[in-house]
Amino acid sequence: AQSVSQHNHHVILSEAASLELGCNYSYGGTVNLFWYVQYPGQHLQLLLKYFSGDPLVKGIKGFEAEFIKSKFSFNLRKPSVQWSDTAEYFCAVNAAGNEKLTFGTGTRLTIIP
Amino acid sequence: NAGVMQNPRHLVRRRGQEARLRCSPMKGHSHVYWYRQLPEEGLKFMVYLQKENIIDESGMPKERFSAEFPKEGPSILRIQQVVRGDSAAYFCASSLPTRAPYEQYFGPGTRLTVT
Repeated sequence: AQSVSQHNHHVILSEAASLELGCNYSYGGTVNLFWYVQYPGQHLQLLLKYFSGDPLVKGIKGFEAEFIKSKFSFNLRKPSVQWSDTAEYFCAVNAAGNEKLTFGTGTRLTIIP
Repeated sequence: NAGVMQNPRHLVRRRGQEARLRCSPMKGHSHVYWYRQLPEEGLKFMVYLQKENIIDESGMPKERFSAEFPKEGPSILRIQQVVRGDSAAYFCASSLPTRAPYEQYFGPGTRLTVT
């Protein structure tokens, strides 16, 4: 069975700091990878996704993620965070051909103005 | 274009009662997924439905839980004889019936509290 690990449970940064949130998965086959964000009081929104092709994917709001197959990782990055990035971030994976998503436990990001 | 709608947003039930959670997918979406989030945990897949069909129910508890997505109307997640351990946030997602892999759009969730 596949699993997803997000090692950082709570990250606190100052505005303009750079961000990297870790995501590792365990599954031996072909996968699709996702990052979702949940802003306070709102529903989950898709930040970015990787299906195939260029392993560096760019999403909304200046976020990007890099798929490193050899490390089973899909870390989320942003060069300069803003206070409005305060939210909970979830990494998710599904096996190719299987639509059910497996989520990590989430990382709560707090940006200090 | 309205997003995925879920109601109620909050539901309180006493032990032994039934809980019915509703999900209306986005317009044109015919695939629906249900996930459950227990406190301090990530979302866990429960069931994947297409209109009038259950495609994958591998995450559904064997007893008391059922789901349907009829030809007309919303998808329903039904929990019979609720217990305290059913207290959680239940999220619905929907996707278009286009070429896989499908991008899932999530609703705001229903927070179930069992007293």
